[in-house]
Amino acid sequence: LAKTTQPISMDSYEGQEVNITCSHNNIATNDYITWYQQFPSQGPRFIIQGYKTKVTNEVASLFIPADRKSSTLSLPRVSLSDTAVYYCLVGEGNRDDKIIFGKGTRLHILP
Amino acid sequence: DTGVSQDPRHKITKRGQNVTFRCDPISEHNRLYWYRQTLGQGPEFLTYFQNEAQLEKSRLLSDRFSAERPKGSFSTLEIQRTEQGDSAMYLCASSLIDADLYGYTFGSGTRLTVV
Repeated sequence: LAKTTQPISMDSYEGQEVNITCSHNNIATNDYITWYQQFPSQGPRFIIQGYKTKVTNEVASLFIPADRKSSTLSLPRVSLSDTAVYYCLVGEGNRDDKIIFGKGTRLHILP
Repeated sequence: DTGVSQDPRHKITKRGQNVTFRCDPISEHNRLYWYRQTLGQGPEFLTYFQNEAQLEKSRLLSDRFSAERPKGSFSTLEIQRTEQGDSAMYLCASSLIDADLYGYTFGSGTRLTVV
């Protein structure tokens, strides 16, 4: 997995859009960008993956610029239940035989 | 199949006692992983199995730790002579062989407290 850098923590308020940026300067051509979410007292769960441009699903959007050296996870209109740790992972599934997690970004949503 | 199950959810034990945790993966998943997570940190990789074979062990897995997956289905993680530093959440995950990074399913973990 490529090295990633993301903020340690962020605070936001209910109803706001939250953007978490991840830097991955050494991303390889075949690498994908994958985000996991971990609620307190639960295991991480996959939320979104992308290769380039924009990906959107029911949980989040992922924006990836043309150089792919960074990516932004966007959570629209957050609620208290979005309080969690968000992990950015960069790699290729067939090459990486396990997930190595960093510290992630601790997102705290305030009422 | 309801996902990855871990038992127990919580365990409190006295220092020096042995503890064993169980993980039941998604039935068609060949690979099973164990992680440890302490407060404020991301999950740390401990070991993984492909079917019944243990293919990799982290240096974090001291000789007091042993993991098994005898029939390639469920797995157990045993900690002998527990120490206070073993207090953590122990997470299990499973995946298919050569799974993409999105293909890992985690259980809810076993929280161990050593007193």
